[in-house]
Amino acid sequence: AQSVAQPEDQVNVAEGNPLTVKCTYSVSGNPYLFWYVQYPNRGLQFLLKYITGDNLVKGSYGFEAEFNKSQTSFHLKKPSALVSDSALYFCAVRDIEAGGGADGLTFGKGTHLIIQP
Amino acid sequence: EPEVTQTPSHQVTQMGQEVILRCVPISNHLYFYWYRQILGQKVEFLVSFYNNEISEKSEIFDDQFSVERPDGSNFTLKIRSTKLEDSAMYFCASSRGVYTEAFFGQGTRLTVV
Repeated sequence: AQSVAQPEDQVNVAEGNPLTVKCTYSVSGNPYLFWYVQYPNRGLQFLLKYITGDNLVKGSYGFEAEFNKSQTSFHLKKPSALVSDSALYFCAVRDIEAGGGADGLTFGKGTHLIIQP
Repeated sequence: EPEVTQTPSHQVTQMGQEVILRCVPISNHLYFYWYRQILGQKVEFLVSFYNNEISEKSEIFDDQFSVERPDGSNFTLKIRSTKLEDSAMYFCASSRGVYTEAFFGQGTRLTVV
């Protein structure tokens, strides 16, 4: 079974400071990893993904994430936070080896990111 | 930019009634999904659909649920006899391939009273 942990319910960062939203995962095989963002009363928007290759993945809106296999982590980062980054962030995982079908994503519980002006 | 669209945005139904939630996936996508998010909780996978059949389903997706792609563009989720605990935001998603990211719709908020 696959699982995702987002240990922080909320992260508070001052505008202009770097931000990190933590995510750790568990899969039996190799992971596909994703970050999605959800603004109030909106659907989930794709930010970035790790499938294979470079451990540092760059995505939308200046976000990046670093895949660390030994620590089973995929933390989301941004060098300089904006107030508009305030939203709910979800990490998600899929096991590459889990069958050949269209397996669903397993999501973490989400982390509220609050950027203070 | 193409997007996944869902209708209605909000549905209120009485317990025991049938509801159908509708989705129009992105046109060149081949894989379709339903997820739900109970208020304040995490997003949960319900079912995936490919080549006109269910590819995978979670334990949440019991006999009360069904999916259909009736006309090549719409993708529907039917709940036959709604329960209070079915109240949630239901998200439809689609992807080009099995190894690509899924794009989500805005969701349908289902309230069972």
